[in-house]
Amino acid sequence: DIVMTQSPDSLAVSLGERATINCKSSQSVLYTSNNKNYLAWFQQKPGQPPKLLIYWASTRESGVPDRFSGSGSGTDFTLTISNLQAEDVAVYYCQQYDLVPFTFGQGTKLEIK
Amino acid sequence: QVQLVESGGGVVQPGGSLRLSCEASGFTFNTHGMHWVRQAPGKGLQWVAFIRNDGSSTFYGDFVKGRFTISRANSKNTLYLQMVSLRPDDTAVYYCARDRFDSDTYFYGTPDYWGQGTRVTVSS
Repeated sequence: DIVMTQSPDSLAVSLGERATINCKSSQSVLYTSNNKNYLAWFQQKPGQPPKLLIYWASTRESGVPDRFSGSGSGTDFTLTISNLQAEDVAVYYCQQYDLVPFTFGQGTKLEIK
Repeated sequence: QVQLVESGGGVVQPGGSLRLSCEASGFTFNTHGMHWVRQAPGKGLQWVAFIRNDGSSTFYGDFVKGRFTISRANSKNTLYLQMVSLRPDDTAVYYCARDRFDSDTYFYGTPDYWGQGTRVTVSS
């Protein structure tokens, strides 16, 4: 199985600043035939289901603010939240959908400093 | 708008069975694969199962070990998860979720729309 490891487990960032969350996969999730990374990012607020933010590692889902961006390729990926807003407080998960069983990272809890 | 409504959760004794349902609306159900994902209390997300749009292929998490069966009734716009031999560590909120891509485009992908979940508690 592909193991997804996020860092840090939690972080606190000031309003208006940038938050950076990392995700590392135990093997590459880049499918070379189409040059796509099978990596998604989700946001989950307390008491709510997860919300898809990013897929193909860097494609923002419709309606997601452009302060959310994804980058990386192969085994190393980053979710960046610029100009942090109070409503961004949540747990963030990465997920690979390259190989079954699909696997999630352990989550990163984002708080306001 | 896309809506997914899960039902069928509850309290069951270890070794018992439960069937979860997920009624879908707001999109053409038979064009998308569907997922079940679960979340134990205070824990992270764990992918459970996936079924292709026409039910022709199914995939499961390693922990399932033949105990769960994902199925769908496209005529009823409904997804199911039959669970048997339940264990206390199966206690979780179970979410159904639509696959982001239609099955003609990609064999499988990542979930986009999620239901609110149904709670399963396995306890004596």
